[in-house]
Amino acid sequence: DIQMTQSPSSLSAFVGDRVTITCRASQGISNYLIWFQQKPGRAPKPLISGASSLESGVPSKFSGSGSGTDFTLTISSLQPEDFATYYCQQYYSHPITFGQGTRLEIK
Amino acid sequence: EVQLVESGGGLVQPGGSLRLSCAASGFTFSSHWMTWVRQAPGKGLEWVANIKEDGSEKYYVDSVKGRFTVSRDNAKNSLYLQMNSLRGEDTAVYYCVRSYSYWGQGTLVTVSS
Repeated sequence: DIQMTQSPSSLSAFVGDRVTITCRASQGISNYLIWFQQKPGRAPKPLISGASSLESGVPSKFSGSGSGTDFTLTISSLQPEDFATYYCQQYYSHPITFGQGTRLEIK
Repeated sequence: EVQLVESGGGLVQPGGSLRLSCAASGFTFSSHWMTWVRQAPGKGLEWVANIKEDGSEKYYVDSVKGRFTVSRDNAKNSLYLQMNSLRGEDTAVYYCVRSYSYWGQGTLVTVSS
């Protein structure tokens, strides 16, 4: 199974900050990676697929990069609605696996 | 508009069974892989199972193999998850997902005596 490791597990930032979350796969997954945002009590929302392609309707403040084993999600100019939990997921091979999540909190 | 509506969750005793359903609308159901993802209370996301468009391929996470069965009825635009021999660690919100872009609201399964 491919293990997905996110870092950090939690992160505090100010409104207006730029933050980066990383996701590392235990083996190469090409660009078969999705980033999700989840708010309490809500279903996850896909932000980026194919490691770097923005999903429809997602603001350009979100960006993704990487290929192979190392990936990043960058959020620029944080706004209050961006404080949530973020997950990466690989869909390169079964079983599909998620990272453990990164909780982004307001400082 | 794509809609996925799960049902069938509830409280069940350990060792019991439950069948989840997902009613799909707003897209050609028979043209898409479908997936179940779960989330235990306060925990992260866990992929459970998925099924190919025509039902010919199915995949499961190891922890549910032999206990859960994913199926679909393309004529009824419906996805199912038959869950047997339920354990406390199966307690979670179960989401029906299409292409990882569309998610239902989830249905809560609680396994407890």
